[in-house]
Amino acid sequence: QQQVKQSPQSLIVQKGGISIINCAYENTAFDYFPWYQQFPGKGPALLIAIRPDVSEKKEGRFTISFNKSAKQFSLHIMDSQPGDSATYFCAASIIGGGGNKLTFGTGTQLKVEL
Amino acid sequence: DAGITQSPRHKVTETGTPVTLRCHQTENHRYMYWYRQDPGHGLRLIHYSYGVKDTDKGEVSDGYSVSRSKTEDFLLTLESATSSQTSVYFCAISNRDRSGNEQYFGPGTRLTVT
Repeated sequence: QQQVKQSPQSLIVQKGGISIINCAYENTAFDYFPWYQQFPGKGPALLIAIRPDVSEKKEGRFTISFNKSAKQFSLHIMDSQPGDSATYFCAASIIGGGGNKLTFGTGTQLKVEL
Repeated sequence: DAGITQSPRHKVTETGTPVTLRCHQTENHRYMYWYRQDPGHGLRLIHYSYGVKDTDKGEVSDGYSVSRSKTEDFLLTLESATSSQTSVYFCAISNRDRSGNEQYFGPGTRLTVT
């Protein structure tokens, strides 16, 4: 059962444009939603994360928008750059839940073209 | 990679042979995890550990076993490797944190079973 659904699978954006990746979750007990960025040949790295008590969190060009009623959250990359080309994973977790486990989406491969 | 090393980084083995992958951390984090990453499936949890000698199964644990005899080391063993276990394996670490279940990933091990 896929508890976190991520779309699109791949995305091509022009330099300077906005990249938007969406995730939907099923378990209403989730209360921590991170995004990870992965470059080829590397391990995933934490990019930004949000708790459900806020609807938006911004760090530089990266913003998470969170809609608790719709059980959806999204990553927006403003002014996308070729260096942002990577695979992005959303995830969800229950803080204090057994093992600090994360449930991941299936990933979005982003390519930013010049 | 947050003080996490994985060894070997690449391995080719034959069907039916045993394989052990090692994860070593220098962060003294309580939790350690083994994931596999496959196209279209994202990151799937194999096993995790919540302390020395304390381990539990993830969503894709069949065919894998783990051991943790020291805080810093977490071993993943494929008792009899199969072609379906060809994948990239990532180790991750985490500490209990009331603000979020942040996990930090190692560089990965690419395993090919022929």
